[in-house]
Amino acid sequence: QQPVQSPQAVILREGEDAVINCSSSKALYSVHWYRQKHGEAPVFLMILLKGGEQKGHEKISASFNEKKQQSSLYLTASQLSYSGTYFCGTLNSGGSNYKLTFGKGTLLTVNP
Amino acid sequence: DAGVTQSPTHLIKTRGQQVTLRCSPKSGHDTVSWYQQALGQGPQFIFQYYEEEERQRGNFPDRFSGHQFPNYSSELNVNALLLGDSALYLCASSLSGTRNQPQHFGDGTRLSIL
Repeated sequence: QQPVQSPQAVILREGEDAVINCSSSKALYSVHWYRQKHGEAPVFLMILLKGGEQKGHEKISASFNEKKQQSSLYLTASQLSYSGTYFCGTLNSGGSNYKLTFGKGTLLTVNP
Repeated sequence: DAGVTQSPTHLIKTRGQQVTLRCSPKSGHDTVSWYQQALGQGPQFIFQYYEEEERQRGNFPDRFSGHQFPNYSSELNVNALLLGDSALYLCASSLSGTRNQPQHFGDGTRLSIL
């Protein structure tokens, strides 16, 4: 089951903040966040695990609500370089599950 | 430190043909996953290879097959190509063991079916 991301698109001015949400109908083991610029490979940003452990980017923060199967990515004081499409990928609970399922993405545009 | 490399960059095929895409993982990584990304969509998991075996498969038909070599590089083969197979095919590598390892993506192979 594909996670649902919101909003689908957001336009900011440099310095503004944004929140991107990701929700799943399945029990999750972890949530992975990636950013993809047009014509480029997705770049890893953050992993959030059950139990609260996080791995990732210093300047980007995120939260993971295990009970609601939801995650949010917080982009503060946005820079032009933050522009791109943000994807959340989810790993469902279950010891032998390695299938990372991505949402449809959120297009973030940061203008000067 | 070499990242994930994929070849070729672009490929044009006709319906019914077969194609092989190649991937070399990031140095030190031993697990390779393949994804299909249609325009405007997120990557879709095709399968993952670890220790030269397919560890898990997504919802793709048997026309999609793969292989992992002892040096951890991998191939994706697609037979009997359909117009709907046109997409960006991404390879991602990671460290084995736990499931909480980040995946590092290559730049992809753009496959066009005529």
